Amino acid sequence: QVQLVQSGAEVKKPGASVKVSCKASGYTFTSYGISWVRQAPGQGLEWMGWISAYNGNTNYAQKLQGRVTMTTDTSTSTAYMELRSLRSDDTAVYYCARDNTAMAHLDYWGQGTLVTVSS
Amino acid sequence: EIVMTQSPATLSVSPGERATLSCRASQSVSSNLAWYQQKPGQAPRLLIYGASTRATGIPARFSGSGSGTEFTLTISSLQSEDFAVYYCQQYNNWPPKVTFGQGTRLEIK
Repeated sequence: QVQLVQSGAEVKKPGASVKVSCKASGYTFTSYGISWVRQAPGQGLEWMGWISAYNGNTNYAQKLQGRVTMTTDTSTSTAYMELRSLRSDDTAVYYCARDNTAMAHLDYWGQGTLVTVSS
Repeated sequence: EIVMTQSPATLSVSPGERATLSCRASQSVSSNLAWYQQKPGQAPRLLIYGASTRATGIPARFSGSGSGTEFTLTISSLQSEDFAVYYCQQYNNWPPKVTFGQGTRLEIK
C-alpha cells in the first residue's frame, strides 16, 4: 500500500532553517511528483510547491520563492522540503502528498510534520 | 491566478440529511477539480477527482458534479463520521500548481 512517512516535529528560532523529509513506499517513486502543503493553526490548506521525482523539476508558490527548496533522493524514495529564514507565521503542519499530475489531484498524504517557530 | 471560493463557510445539517457544498473558480478549470475531507488532527483525504470521480474506497453517498467554474459536492445521507472540513482544489497541469478553496466546515445540527 502507498505510504508517505514524514519526519518528526521541529522547533526552530526565527531566522533558522528547517528540512522536513517524506519517505515514500508502495509505489514507483519516480512515476509521480510530490507536492508540499502547509496548514497554519486553525487555518486552511496552502500549497507550497511541487517537485518531479522523475527529473527534479520544481514549481514553487510565488510567495515562498527564494525561501523554499524541494529535493528528492531516488535511491531512498525520499522527498525533502527545506524552508529558510523562518518567521513566526511559518508555524504550521507541513504535509507531503503524492502528486498525480496526470489526474490533477493529490491522492496520498503524509501524516504531517509540525514546525513551530518561536524565540 | 485562479481563486477558489467555497460556500458556505459553515454548514449545519442533521444526520441522515443531505449536504450540498459549493465551490466556484474565478476562471474555468475544466474538470480539474478535486474535493478533500479533513478531520481534526488528520491529514486531508481525497474524496473526488476529475470533478465527479470517487477516489478508491470512498462511499457512494459522496458525489461530485460540475465543470468550468461551478462545482458541487453532495453527501446524500450524512453519517456521524462525515462531519469535518471539506476543501475543493483546482490543479493547473503545467507547470503543476494547486489552489485550494478556504474550506467548508460541516457541523452537526
